[in-house]
Order: sequence, then structure tokens, then C-alpha cells
Amino acid sequence: ETGVTQSPTHLIKTRGQQVTLRCSSQSGHNTVSWYQQALGQGPQFIFQYYREEENGRGNFPPRFSGLQFPNYSSELNVNALELDDSALYLCASRQGGGHTGELFFGEGSRLTVL
Amino acid sequence: GENVEQHPSTLSVQEGDSAVIKCTYSDSASNYFPWYKQELGKGPQLIIDIRSNVGEKKDQRIAVTLNKTAKHFSLHITETQPEDSAVHFCAAILTGTASKLTFGTGTRLQVTL
Repeated sequence: ETGVTQSPTHLIKTRGQQVTLRCSSQSGHNTVSWYQQALGQGPQFIFQYYREEENGRGNFPPRFSGLQFPNYSSELNVNALELDDSALYLCASRQGGGHTGELFFGEGSRLTVL
Repeated sequence: GENVEQHPSTLSVQEGDSAVIKCTYSDSASNYFPWYKQELGKGPQLIIDIRSNVGEKKDQRIAVTLNKTAKHFSLHITETQPEDSAVHFCAAILTGTASKLTFGTGTRLQVTL
């Protein structure tokens, strides 16, 4: 069973640039969610995708957007990067759109904005 | 929305001692409470969870208790080992169509020899 994989693991961008982070969900999982984890903080929910549709969003501006593909992999896009966007971005997957099941996290993509 | 508070922020115990981490939540509708362990450079990993219809759950050295009336839940680790050293997060969620986990701020647990 393949776990959640994310790419890239680390990247550096400058203010105003755009970034795309990628996630492959665990085999058999059709729900993917994204979290932002600032240094020393708990993860903060960005949004969730179920069967290619966004079905939940946290308190993040529209420049944070995403996609889910037919194979349930997902992308997180952030436009007009700001210094405060520097964080670890975590992808998590599970089975089912509306029921609680164990969330499986990837190891994250660490974004540094200079 | 849901708010989860966690304490202590750091906890140092000697190997073999017990460790307790406490969390409170604000939304009485929350019904699922997982605990995650995050090692340096890795993503969070579920170590135990509890649902609101249960007051206590145990898995070997790890146990979680839930007091729905007081809206708090606790993680208990007995016979701590060096490999327990990590940041531990509590979280709360209301199951539903757009279930999102609300995390606490984390407890850095250090188990010393």
C-alpha cells in the first residue's frame, strides 16, 4: 500500500511568485485535504476535495486554490506569494467525503518565501 | 468555529515515567478526537483516536479520555520511551460533508534517559 506522497519536498520562492504543490493520495482514498503548518504551530485547514470537487474550505484567501484529478491526486496553487506563506504544506487523504476516517498525512512540502 | 487549546506546550519526562497532555475544545458538536504525533521533518501520524460516544480508549501504553460535559480530552502515555519524543497534537472534528480537523498548538514531549 502506497502512502501519501508530496512533491517537491522543499522549495524557495520570492514574493509575488506563484507555486504549485502536488500530492498523490494513498491507494483507495478519494478525499484529499490540504493543511498549512507554520513553524511551531498546529496544521491549519486550507481546503478539501472529494471526487474532484472542493467540499470544504478554511479561512484562506482566494489566491489559495486547488484541483483534484480523476485519479484523486491533487494540486495546491498559491498565487502572489507573501512572506507569511512560508510554511510546511501538508496533504492528507482518506476514504469517503463526509465521514470520519483516519487521515493519512504526507511528509509535506516546505515552502520558503523570500 | 471550533477552537482547540492544548497544554503544556513542552513536557520533559524521564524514561519510564508517565506523560499527560490535555486539550479543551469549544464546539460541543465535535464528535471525533484524534491525537497525532509529528517527528522532525515528517508529517503527523495518528497514534490514537476517540469518538464522542466513548469515555476512554486504550492501546497498549497509550490511552485517551474524553469528558464531553467539560469539553476536554487527554492523552496518557505510560512507561515512556525515547521514541515517544516528538510533537504531539490533539485535534477535534465534527463529522460531516466538509469535515475539517482543528488542531491544538502542539506539545513537544522530550523523554530523557
